[in-house]
Amino acid sequence: EVQLVESGGDLVQSGRSLRLSCATSGFTFGDYAMSWVRQAPGKGLEWVGFIKSKTYGGTTEYAASVKGRFTVSRDDSKSIAYLQMNSLKTEDTAVYYCTRDIDGYYVSWGQGTLVTVSS
Amino acid sequence: DIVMTQSPDSLAVSLGERATINCKSSQSVLHSNNKNYLAWYQQKPGQSPKLLIYWASTRESGVPDRFSGSGSGTDFTLTISSLQTEDVAIYYCHQYSSIPRTFGQGTRVEIK
Repeated sequence: EVQLVESGGDLVQSGRSLRLSCATSGFTFGDYAMSWVRQAPGKGLEWVGFIKSKTYGGTTEYAASVKGRFTVSRDDSKSIAYLQMNSLKTEDTAVYYCTRDIDGYYVSWGQGTLVTVSS
Repeated sequence: DIVMTQSPDSLAVSLGERATINCKSSQSVLHSNNKNYLAWYQQKPGQSPKLLIYWASTRESGVPDRFSGSGSGTDFTLTISSLQTEDVAIYYCHQYSSIPRTFGQGTRVEIK
């Protein structure tokens, strides 16, 4: 069974940093791109960024709203994806989901982890 | 950026009746490989989104066949042929044709 479990969400002050983790099992992690999608309270879905598999260079892409502040990385030996979030803003408050990415669509989702940024 | 616009924002349908959700992209998501880079997700209250349809019309494994996707280019439709109580949810379309990936604003489906 495919599982993605996010952790690391917390209440933090504006300007601080936070690292989210996405522990996975049930599939060959290294074969897949991993993406992060967020959802502000009561709002819709917003793509944050992704990291390709090493086979495709392990390259990353980001939404304009987080570029330069957020970094997606991966540890294939541990089957974990990370989202490093720096210089957090109140508008980054959201539930953050990690997803298993196939050709750009999201075939599996975690349960999400809540990040709250206070002013 | 490709803007995804869903209609309606919400709809109420009687049990057993058809529900139709539309999604329009500001640019074509049809590639030269003849694939439409368009997916649909269902998000039930308090849950994570779930993939229903990809490549505009391919149903994900385990998804009931009352869910179907159609369309090409810039205009797409998700149809629930016979609405069940467990289908109450918000539905999102999503283009993965280009960066940034973008979602529609969501359509809330309720029972009339």
